[in-house]
Amino acid sequence: DIQMTQSPSSLSASVGDRVTITCRASQSISTYLNWYQQKPGKAPKLLIYAASTLQSGVPSRFRGSASGTDFTLTISSLQPEDFATYYCQQSYSTPITFGQGTRLEIK
Amino acid sequence: EVQLVESGGGLVQPGGSLRLSCEGSGFTFSDYEMNWVRQAPGKGLEWVSYISTPGGTVFYADSLKGRFTISRDNAKNSLYLQMDSLRVDDSAVYFCATTRYGSGSPHFASWGQGTLVTVSS
Repeated sequence: DIQMTQSPSSLSASVGDRVTITCRASQSISTYLNWYQQKPGKAPKLLIYAASTLQSGVPSRFRGSASGTDFTLTISSLQPEDFATYYCQQSYSTPITFGQGTRLEIK
Repeated sequence: EVQLVESGGGLVQPGGSLRLSCEGSGFTFSDYEMNWVRQAPGKGLEWVSYISTPGGTVFYADSLKGRFTISRDNAKNSLYLQMDSLRVDDSAVYFCATTRYGSGSPHFASWGQGTLVTVSS
């Protein structure tokens, strides 16, 4: 199985900050990497697919990038509605696997 | 607008069975590959199962060990998950999600609101 390791597991930041979340795959997954945002009690929401393609309707402050087996989600200027948990997901092969999540909290 | 509504969750004893349903609307259900994803209380997301559009190809998480069966009825716009020999660690919110493809990469574009399964004596 492909392991996805996210870091950090939690992060405190302020409105207006730039934050970066990293996800590392245990083997090559090309760009079969997706990012989701989840708020408490809600379903996950797709933010970015294919490592860097912004899902329709998602604000442009969200950006995804890839370098080998390392993937990054960057939020350029945090807004109050961005405080949530973020998950990466590899869809290169089954079993599909998720990172353990990064909880983004208000400082 | 794509809508997915799960149902069928509830309290069941260890060793029992439960059948979850997911009804789709606002899109052509038969055109979409589907998945089940679960989330134990306070934990992360875990992919459970996948089914192709006609239903002939299915995949499961290794941890299920043949206890769960995914199926679909395209005439009823519905996805199912039959869960047998349930264990306490199967307790979770179960989400259904559509697979979409973009830039060649499959991703879960739309999700239901989830249905809670609690396995306890």
